[in-house]
Amino acid sequence: GQQLNQSPQSMFIQEGEDVSMNCTSSSIFNTWLWYKQEPGEGPVLLIALYKAGELTSNGRLTAQFGITRKDSFLNISASIPSDVGIYFCAGQDSGYSTLTFGKGTMLLVSP
Amino acid sequence: DTEVTQTPKHLVMGMTNKKSLKCEQHMGHRAMYWYKQKAKKPPELMFVYSYEKLSINESVPSRFSPECPNSSLLNLHLHALQPEDSALYLCASSQDHGYSNQPQHFGDGTRLSIL
Repeated sequence: GQQLNQSPQSMFIQEGEDVSMNCTSSSIFNTWLWYKQEPGEGPVLLIALYKAGELTSNGRLTAQFGITRKDSFLNISASIPSDVGIYFCAGQDSGYSTLTFGKGTMLLVSP
Repeated sequence: DTEVTQTPKHLVMGMTNKKSLKCEQHMGHRAMYWYKQKAKKPPELMFVYSYEKLSINESVPSRFSPECPNSSLLNLHLHALQPEDSALYLCASSQDHGYSNQPQHFGDGTRLSIL
């Protein structure tokens, strides 16, 4: 089946630093999604990407859908302590297919 | 605040008990999903309902029985569970399972512990 490689697995940074994480796939996706999950909660959708090359921002978050359709990255600028959580990428290749999730990037931010 | 509501938030049950998890959404979505999530792992799909009909069962053991009474409600009936079934059970919904440009939105889950 399809697999997503998400990296890094974890990051421990200082408040104010910028963060970058990415997902790569061996096969093409038509949709890339980025979710954040905090302890005791479900995943929350941060950004959805639908077109190759698309660059989308949501506040301090920016994500891009790679031109090859096989990768996506998420950047967080000027991190703050409430950015702490696990960030999951997810890809979908067609409407009737299911989501393929990356293994997650755990982000810890030191005040 | 999530627009997908799951109850209960926590559930502890013995291996011989029968219980149900409930999920509700009022966004007019016609696709609903059950996922199982172990600690620090991504969600794993269990079932997909599209227009109140079961469209995907990811080879889930029969001790998990889903039900979709109407377009806003999704239940997961549990019976004779095993300790390895302890996990966070997440419900999600999307506008329509047939379109990849309609992302899934998740509830906060039910934390299930099997004694």
